[in-house]
Amino acid sequence: DAKTTQPPSMDCAEGRAANLPCNHSTISGNEYVYWYRQIHSQGPQYIIHGLKNNETNEMASLIITEDRKSSTLILPHATLRDTAVYYCIVQSRGSNYKLTFGKGTLLTVNP
Amino acid sequence: DTAVSQTPKYLVTQMGNDKSIKCEQNLGHDTMYWYKQDSKKFLKIMFSYNNKELIINETVPNRFSPKSPDKAHLNLHINSLELGDSAVYFCASRATSGITDTQYFGPGTRLTVL
Repeated sequence: DAKTTQPPSMDCAEGRAANLPCNHSTISGNEYVYWYRQIHSQGPQYIIHGLKNNETNEMASLIITEDRKSSTLILPHATLRDTAVYYCIVQSRGSNYKLTFGKGTLLTVNP
Repeated sequence: DTAVSQTPKYLVTQMGNDKSIKCEQNLGHDTMYWYKQDSKKFLKIMFSYNNKELIINETVPNRFSPKSPDKAHLNLHINSLELGDSAVYFCASRATSGITDTQYFGPGTRLTVL
């Protein structure tokens, strides 16, 4: 079972920041927070991951609370192509590493 | 260049048939996966191979048999297809380098069993 809770859907206006929340209150000390997204009819795509520090890359920023029980994925300037299901996943690393997907959040970016 | 490719993209077949789905990655990764996404859009892992060795085998009917001839290929063979096997099957490969630990997914194979 997924260890995360996400809202089922969110809307965002094109050009505005999209802030996608994720609760992971049972996260363990060695577990990372990963974000993937799945655009309709495509395979999931890696976005970003972090352990306890905030992270930023060319796609997004990841803000993790100090207690690590929740995080927020930020798409700074959402475009129509960002419409997708966004998955927040907590997972430890290792040889048996696997992604356990929950239901995710359907983000709809509106013109 | 396509990083993770799958063939075929679509597969329509009758119940009881045997079919295979092929996956190839040109990323040089050691670990590959098969995931199944059902009609309710839940994505679940099925198998994982590392350097041609099976390392993850979730609760999957033994009609499903993965085969890895080399670390760049992970194929999925399904015997005696059933209606419930209809789904989209995704192959993925895993990159681990330093702090990087990400999976790259293929475009999926949509299997329809009639």
